[in-house]
Order: sequence, then structure tokens, then C-alpha cells
Amino acid sequence: DAGVIQSPRHEVTEMGQEVTLRCKPISGHDYLFWYRQTMMRGLELLIYFNNNVPIDDSGMPEDRFSAKMPNASFSTLKIQPSEPRDSAVYFCASSPGLAGANEQFFGPGTRLTVL
Amino acid sequence: AQSVAQPEDQVNVAEGNPLTVKCTYSVSGNPYLFWYVQYPNRGLQFLLKYITGDNLVKGSYGFEAEFNKSQTSFHLKKPSALVSDSALYFCAVRDNNYGQNFVFGPGTRLSVLP
Repeated sequence: DAGVIQSPRHEVTEMGQEVTLRCKPISGHDYLFWYRQTMMRGLELLIYFNNNVPIDDSGMPEDRFSAKMPNASFSTLKIQPSEPRDSAVYFCASSPGLAGANEQFFGPGTRLTVL
Repeated sequence: AQSVAQPEDQVNVAEGNPLTVKCTYSVSGNPYLFWYVQYPNRGLQFLLKYITGDNLVKGSYGFEAEFNKSQTSFHLKKPSALVSDSALYFCAVRDNNYGQNFVFGPGTRLSVLP
């Protein structure tokens, strides 16, 4: 298996522009997670899905952020409009289903820079 | 609520010496505990986990961790450090009564000096 795939790996955009980050989870995994990593705040869970349904989006910072999972093999995280404080590394992770005992498998991340 | 603390921002150890990276946690139920490693410009990689059973857990790359319920700790250890072990290490906890949310610690940067 290729692991969790994220695109793009790097994104540089200007303030006010729309940004879309993409993730393909590992086939067969029931859970998908979006994280944000910054030096100041560490690793933060933004939202997670179970069987394509959003379960907990309490970590989404504000309405400018939205996430979708139209099918089991694809998810997007969208920021509209983007702001410089959104600059961070965004990770997608997936996990097999059932119980909390399963580890998460992380993608390589998307480094977002908002100018 | 669940929480994780990693009291050391940075750990330095000489190559060949044993290493310890500390982690303490707080949960209301029974904990599921995990260690991850992050190399520069990479995603997190799973090292090991404690779910139940033997308190000493062995994982990838020669790492092990000991679950101590009375001290609410889950320290990561390795008998002999390698320069290639230098990375950022994250402890994570999940309360088995609290769904799928991991809570990650702030991370500890390990530097193994040749």
C-alpha cells in the first residue's frame, strides 16, 4: 500500500485566496483525521470522519475552514479566505475501524504558506 | 478531559548511551497510549502502543516503553541510542471512553550526539 497520500506537498498563496488540501487515506481504513502542526500550538486535531461522516469538528478554528469526504478514498480541507496565520503543516491521517486501540497512519503533510 | 505532558522540550544523549523520553498523561477512563516519531519534513510514524496486558511494550527500531499506572507515565526508552534516532517524539493518549480523539503531547526533540 502506498500509505496516506496528500497533495500538494507545498502550497504558497496570498492572503484572501482559497486553498484546497487533498488526502487519500489507506484503503480499508474507516477513520480519517485532519491535523494542523505549528511551532506555537503543536499538533492540533481539526476534524475527523468515520465512514465518510464528520464526527467531531470542534477543532476547526473558524468558519473559514471546511472539510469534506465525498467517498471513502478522498477528503479535502478547504480554507476560504486564507490568512497568514493559517500558515502551518497540515497532516491527514487514517486509521482502521473499531475501538480506540488502533494507531493512526499519517501522510507526509502539506506545508501551507499564506503571504 | 484527557491530556498529555512531555516535560522535556529537548533531550541530548551520546550515541551508544541509553535514552529516555518522558511522558505523563491524564484520563478519566483507561488509557490507550502511543508513541510516534517525526523526522524532518515527514509525517508522524507509529513506534509502539500500550492497550492492555504487559506493562513493557516493545516497538519499532529497538524502542520500548513502560506503562506505569500509579505514576500515570509511559516513558519511551532505548538501551543504546543511534545518531539516526535524532528526531521529534510525540506521546499520545486516547481515553477508551472518549471515542477516537487522540491527544498529542507537545513533542520532545531528541538529539543523539556522535
